[in-house]
Amino acid sequence: NAGVTQTPKFQVLKTGQSMTLQCAQDMNHNSMYWYRQDPGMGLRLIYYSASEGTTDKGEVPNGYNVSRLNKREFSLRLESAAPSQTSVYFCASSEWQGPLYGYTFGSGTRLTVV
Amino acid sequence: GQQLNQSPQSMFIQEGEDVSMNCTSSSIFNTWLWYKQDPGEGPVLLIALYKAGELTSNGRLTAQFGITRKDSFLNISASIPSDVGIYFCAVYTGANSKLTFGKGITLSVRP
Repeated sequence: NAGVTQTPKFQVLKTGQSMTLQCAQDMNHNSMYWYRQDPGMGLRLIYYSASEGTTDKGEVPNGYNVSRLNKREFSLRLESAAPSQTSVYFCASSEWQGPLYGYTFGSGTRLTVV
Repeated sequence: GQQLNQSPQSMFIQEGEDVSMNCTSSSIFNTWLWYKQDPGEGPVLLIALYKAGELTSNGRLTAQFGITRKDSFLNISASIPSDVGIYFCAVYTGANSKLTFGKGITLSVRP
């Protein structure tokens, strides 16, 4: 099925461990995004990639790094996980940036840091 | 950053009832969107509004783009159990027009 695929779906980390969240889209979209969702906070943008080869910080980038591996894949890395990074992480993509282009979201990665 | 205000945080209604929710901001936006998030899934676009005063329907859903461009409303008529979920309003912000979300309203529907 066409769309945005995120792996893993669930993960438990110990404080200080590192991990990479994977995201891939098969819609030939140029722009990709990482959001985190916390109860009562909505979705907040962590990083985005307007096109292959570019990445930029969003609203809450501290503690994260990203890599736009190719047009399809956009990964999010936690170098040293902290309990404050316990959240649900969503990847999204759009054909281009801007109001005329809708976002397609993946089904999320639920991360718990203990 | 930009702030979209959605309240209350939770709403509880009886199946068959209508429900209305709104989203407000102190800033002007040219596009308003409404998303729904089913439990365990990512958000899905319900309705997009591009013109002040615009009223758009999608089945039992009706959304309006406020005339001041600072607010939007979503109405759900004759609610059914599958309407449960989180409803977010969203706007495009910043130089590169990235999607910014409100905090969402969790809707529960009692059979």
